[in-house]
Amino acid sequence: NFMLTQPHSVSESPGRTVTISCTRSSGSTASNFVQWYQQRPGSSPTTVIYKDNQRPSGVPDRFSGSIDSSSNSASLTISGLETEDEADYYCQSSDTYNVVFGGGTKLTVL
Amino acid sequence: QVQLQESGPGLVKPSETLSLTCTVSGGSINNYYWTWIRQFPGKGLEWIGYVYYSGSTNYNPSLKSRVTISIDTSKRQFSLKLSSVTAADTAVYYCASRIPVAGSAFDYWGQGALVTVSS
Repeated sequence: NFMLTQPHSVSESPGRTVTISCTRSSGSTASNFVQWYQQRPGSSPTTVIYKDNQRPSGVPDRFSGSIDSSSNSASLTISGLETEDEADYYCQSSDTYNVVFGGGTKLTVL
Repeated sequence: QVQLQESGPGLVKPSETLSLTCTVSGGSINNYYWTWIRQFPGKGLEWIGYVYYSGSTNYNPSLKSRVTISIDTSKRQFSLKLSSVTAADTAVYYCASRIPVAGSAFDYWGQGALVTVSS
């Protein structure tokens, strides 16, 4: 079984850019798509990135995803931060037998 | 547009079986992996498993010995049974769905059902 490790929390000011990492413990990040979810307090998660870097309709282009094979990690970058971006963010990936979520990162926009 | 709604007891005694049902409205019952995911009080998410309309299933290896997910396409419902529960199974249980394509996301989620394991 593999794990996805995220920073527990990040904070940044409105208008700035923040990047959240998601490091895979075993297996290849490049060979298994990564998805990212946003969860606001009291709500169910919603998709902000799928297939590593694809945005669902309705998600602002301030959200972008990328993969770094050298560090076996994925990243979610949010530019032009807005207060409404304050939420928990989870990465998710799979292997043949399992679906795994990262532990989540609390983004504070202050 | 798919809508999902969980239902079932909010309190289960230790060693008993947790049972939840998810009712599907909108969309085709044939087009998705119907999935259960739980979120622990500390916020972490855990994938429990899925059932396809055909009845085929796939479970989290760490829960496989205790989990059964089934589907009733005529009722547009799928269900979760988790046996021999302990306090560690206390969580918000979500039903969710994704299309059976690599890289697809869980695009539809229920509102979640809090299940507490306590005597």
